[in-house]
Amino acid sequence: AQSVAQPEDQVNVAEGNPLTVKCTYSVSGNPYLFWYVQYPNRGLQFLLKYITGDNLVKGSYGFEAEFNKSQTSFHLKKPSALVSDSALYFCAVRGSTPTGNQFYFGTGTSLTVIP
Amino acid sequence: GAGVSQTPSNKVTEKGKYVELRCDPISGHTALYWYRQSLGQGPEFLIYFQGTGAADDSGLPNDRFFAVRPEGSVSTLKIQRTERGDSAVYLCASSPQFNRGPSYNEQFFGPGTRLTVL
Repeated sequence: AQSVAQPEDQVNVAEGNPLTVKCTYSVSGNPYLFWYVQYPNRGLQFLLKYITGDNLVKGSYGFEAEFNKSQTSFHLKKPSALVSDSALYFCAVRGSTPTGNQFYFGTGTSLTVIP
Repeated sequence: GAGVSQTPSNKVTEKGKYVELRCDPISGHTALYWYRQSLGQGPEFLIYFQGTGAADDSGLPNDRFFAVRPEGSVSTLKIQRTERGDSAVYLCASSPQFNRGPSYNEQFFGPGTRLTVL
């Protein structure tokens, strides 16, 4: 079965400090991993993805994520947090079923960047 | 350009009624997904279209839920005999042709329809 886990419901970080939002996954076969961000009253926005290649993936708004196969993790990182990064972050994995492709989302991590 | 749009943005209905939720994907996107998001949860997969056909409807919770995409563009999610437990935000996402281009596997989400069943 495919799934992702986001162990932290809430992450607080001071503005200017590095941030990490954690994600671990379980998938059969090669993982396709994604991060999305959701701002209040807005739809989810794509941040970055790992399909293949370099383990460090760079995405929108200065975010990056590191794919770690041995730890089955795909943590989201940013070297210096901004107040405007405060939002809800979702990790997702693309599974593969015989008839199609489903995306499995985590329960989300609420990031608050404190000025 | 225009993103994914969903109408209505809010829908309040009574238990037992029928509702339709509409999704207009980004023009040219062949893949379309419906999700349901309950409070405090991540999006839960419902159904996936590739073109006009439902390639995977295994996420639909029961036979009260049905979705169509007759011309490969606009999609409608239909819920019969609504129940209070159906209350959630229903999200639609579209994606470019499945295995081509830099946006491969990226989903572009609409703002959602908030359904409240009284």
